[in-house]
Amino acid sequence: GAVVSQHPSRVICKSGTSVKIECRSLDFQATTMFWYRQFPKKSLMLMATSNEGSKATYEQGVEKDKFLINHASLTLSTLTVTSAHPEDSSFYICSAISLSTDTQYFGPGTRLTVL
Amino acid sequence: EDQVTQSPEALRLQEGESSSLNCSYTVSGLRGLFWYRQDPGKGPEFLFTLYSAGEEKEKERLKATLTKKESFLHITAPKPEDSATYLCAVQGGGAQKLVFGQGTRLTINP
Repeated sequence: GAVVSQHPSRVICKSGTSVKIECRSLDFQATTMFWYRQFPKKSLMLMATSNEGSKATYEQGVEKDKFLINHASLTLSTLTVTSAHPEDSSFYICSAISLSTDTQYFGPGTRLTVL
Repeated sequence: EDQVTQSPEALRLQEGESSSLNCSYTVSGLRGLFWYRQDPGKGPEFLFTLYSAGEEKEKERLKATLTKKESFLHITAPKPEDSATYLCAVQGGGAQKLVFGQGTRLTINP
């Protein structure tokens, strides 16, 4: 139980294009999901908290117009990187809270490369 | 501000050589302390949650313990497949978000 999926697992795009990443909780409902960014050999950096049916809460320094988050259902949150640039290249990971265990379960991550 | 510090940053052990990883924390009203394992290029995998000082949890060769200031992840007779980065995180007060440490990169040599 407590499986979180992400799609795509990796994506390569051209500078200036937008990329959407999906995060799904497969066997539980999640009112709250989180989006993280991870640089090589570094720990996870929280970008934003995604709440079902309401606006996301962004961490300080994260551009909300660049990283659009939508949490339209209890099992799906999406992160759209708008007008991507090479500096947005990174490993993006989502997580979802299982209410029954109050534990965050993580997706497998999405490797974004912007050329 | 909640903070988590993990040590050592990296640890190399021989197969079968037991050791411990440390996670020191400061938090306002600990709601939970979490241990995750992360393999390269993958998302963190949940291992344990500890809620109060004195609590211990075990899973195979791993045992996590908790005091009011730190947590230890003890690894007994490790195998090469235990090689990974181990992340510690705390959840404090009324917040749902986690504050992560920098992780310990563990390498077990056969």
